[in-house]
Amino acid sequence: GNSVTQMEGPVTLSEEAFLTINCTYTATGYPSLFWYVQYPGEGLQLLLKATKADDKGSNKGFEATYRKETTSFHLEKGSVQVSDSAVYFCALGESQGNLIFGKGTKLSVKP
Amino acid sequence: DTGVSQNPRHKITKRGQNVTFRCDPISEHNRLYWYRQTLGQGPEFLTYFQNEAQLEKSRLLSDRFSAERPKGSFSTLEIQRTEQGDSAMYLCASSRTGSPYNEQFFGPGTRLTVL
Repeated sequence: GNSVTQMEGPVTLSEEAFLTINCTYTATGYPSLFWYVQYPGEGLQLLLKATKADDKGSNKGFEATYRKETTSFHLEKGSVQVSDSAVYFCALGESQGNLIFGKGTKLSVKP
Repeated sequence: DTGVSQNPRHKITKRGQNVTFRCDPISEHNRLYWYRQTLGQGPEFLTYFQNEAQLEKSRLLSDRFSAERPKGSFSTLEIQRTEQGDSAMYLCASSRTGSPYNEQFFGPGTRLTVL
């Protein structure tokens, strides 16, 4: 079946550092890919998405590129802020619409 | 747009009791999903509805679990004869259609603790 693997955390960075959170997937066909974020005390919210190979999703300075050849969708940000501290989930959209999530990566950004 | 709401936010129960959770999706969304999230894990799909029809159930959804969505509006998730292993966060999400490309909007979740 389909699955998502993302790097385990926690990840601790200093403000303005570069962020990469790795995500790879296993799927039949070409699913849509998502990054969701969960800020402390809040619900999951969509950060960005890509629906086909070579698409780049971007939002709030975060980017991820759908790489079919490496089955990856790594999340990057050039300069993190304290307000980016959250748990990040990589997810895959199945054909019926439900999502398959990775385990999540907790990011802490220190001032 | 008031977002997806879930009630209660927290539920503590004793093993063997029945519990019911409610989810109110965004009003124009016809798809509604239930997920379960345990500590340190990502959400796991349980079931989904298109309007009032329950179209898919995960193998995670044992016979003790039942979900309904009467009239295609709010949904309820009932767990009968709760077990300690049922302790988790139960998340509801809704989307405009069943397209795998559509954003799902999540509620804040109901945290269940089974003693």
